[in-house]
Amino acid sequence: NAGVMQNPRHLVRRRGQEARLRCSPMKGHSHVYWYRQLPEEGLKFMVYLQKENIIDESGMPKERFSAEFPKEGPSILRIQQVVRGDSAAYFCASSPGDSPYTFGSGTRLTVV
Amino acid sequence: QKEVEQDPGPLSVPEGAIVSLNCTYSNSAFQYFMWYRQYSRKGPELLMYTYSSGNKEDGRFTAQVDKSSKYISLFIRDSQPSDSATYLCAMSAGGGSYIPTFGRGTSLIVHP
Repeated sequence: NAGVMQNPRHLVRRRGQEARLRCSPMKGHSHVYWYRQLPEEGLKFMVYLQKENIIDESGMPKERFSAEFPKEGPSILRIQQVVRGDSAAYFCASSPGDSPYTFGSGTRLTVV
Repeated sequence: QKEVEQDPGPLSVPEGAIVSLNCTYSNSAFQYFMWYRQYSRKGPELLMYTYSSGNKEDGRFTAQVDKSSKYISLFIRDSQPSDSATYLCAMSAGGGSYIPTFGRGTSLIVHP
């Protein structure tokens, strides 16, 4: 039973480009969560999704960031027109809904 | 005041020491308490999961919750260099609002 799979592990983008981060939840998990981690700030909640629905996006910046979890395929976190301040580790977690999360290994985004 | 407070450390101890890691919180609705361990460049992994007050033991790890003081602890006995990692506490009110709030994490270094 594979864990939460995130890809790519490392992503380098120039300022103004788009970044797409992918997350495949654990088998049987229908709840997906995205977090951002900065060294001085810890893990910050961004968005909570179930299949085809955004349940809570209270942690998402209002502009440039979007997330989806389609009926088929992985969850995608999309960052348009990236800026240096978007450089961080982005973690996806999944759960069956009534248990603690299982995290993926993260995608480290570097904006140059 | 942050909802969850955790000293970032670093906490440096000799091998074999008993380690005490702590978090305080302000939201009295929290009922579910978790400890995650995060190695460098990896995603957080769940160590302990407890409900309400009391103690829970798993091998060398003991989680303790004191809801009256809004204080949780993780004890590590006979610490090993392989325990060197960042330890994050997390807590939630549970139920339908299961999005935990994380502490910043405490960096632990166990030196041989």
